[in-house]
Amino acid sequence: SQTIHQWPATLVQPVGSPLSLECTVEGTSNPNLYWYRQAAGRGLQLLFYSVGIGQISSEVPQNLSASRPQDRQFILSSKKLLLSDSGFYLCAWDRAITEAFFGQGTRLTVV
Amino acid sequence: SQQGEEDPQALSIQEGENATMNCSYKTSINNLQWYRQNSGRGLVHLILIRSNEREKHSGRLRVTLDTSKKSSSLLITASRAADTASYFCATALANAGGTSYGKLTFGQGTILTVHP
Repeated sequence: SQTIHQWPATLVQPVGSPLSLECTVEGTSNPNLYWYRQAAGRGLQLLFYSVGIGQISSEVPQNLSASRPQDRQFILSSKKLLLSDSGFYLCAWDRAITEAFFGQGTRLTVV
Repeated sequence: SQQGEEDPQALSIQEGENATMNCSYKTSINNLQWYRQNSGRGLVHLILIRSNEREKHSGRLRVTLDTSKKSSSLLITASRAADTASYFCATALANAGGTSYGKLTFGQGTILTVHP
């Protein structure tokens, strides 16, 4: 069966520090991968999506970047965090306009 | 901008009652999906309805889709305290530029509280 791992679960980082959140998928190949951000427990905003290794599309201009070094690995990064980067980050995968499977999320607090 | 918008924003009911949540969207879709999120956790897929379907059932869940009105509803029958969560609709657009990714667009969600 397919599983998705996302870590860490919580993270407190000072302003100006770097960020690296990792997401891996098991049990499937060539998944579409997504990074979402959720503010205040409400709607999800799509940040990045990837349809293959090294293929990254950004949905909104921001202080973050994403990379896909391997087929089932998706990384969200920042060189210098801002206070406004705080939020709940969710990784997800799907195959061809079907249901999406989400990780458990990372609560990022920038202080 | 958000494609899907749910209402109500919050719903509080007693155990055993039915809960109905609505979702409206703006553009043509391939399918519409409903997800559930427990506080501080990831989203869990509940049900998917395709644009050529009008109604779908799964256990105590009933979803309807009216493409002429660009709206959907999620009905949870005989609610339980364990149904307390946030519920989101998400749409996959009809034309994804020929690629195969879903690129779901989520609404703001409905917070459901079921009192024992």
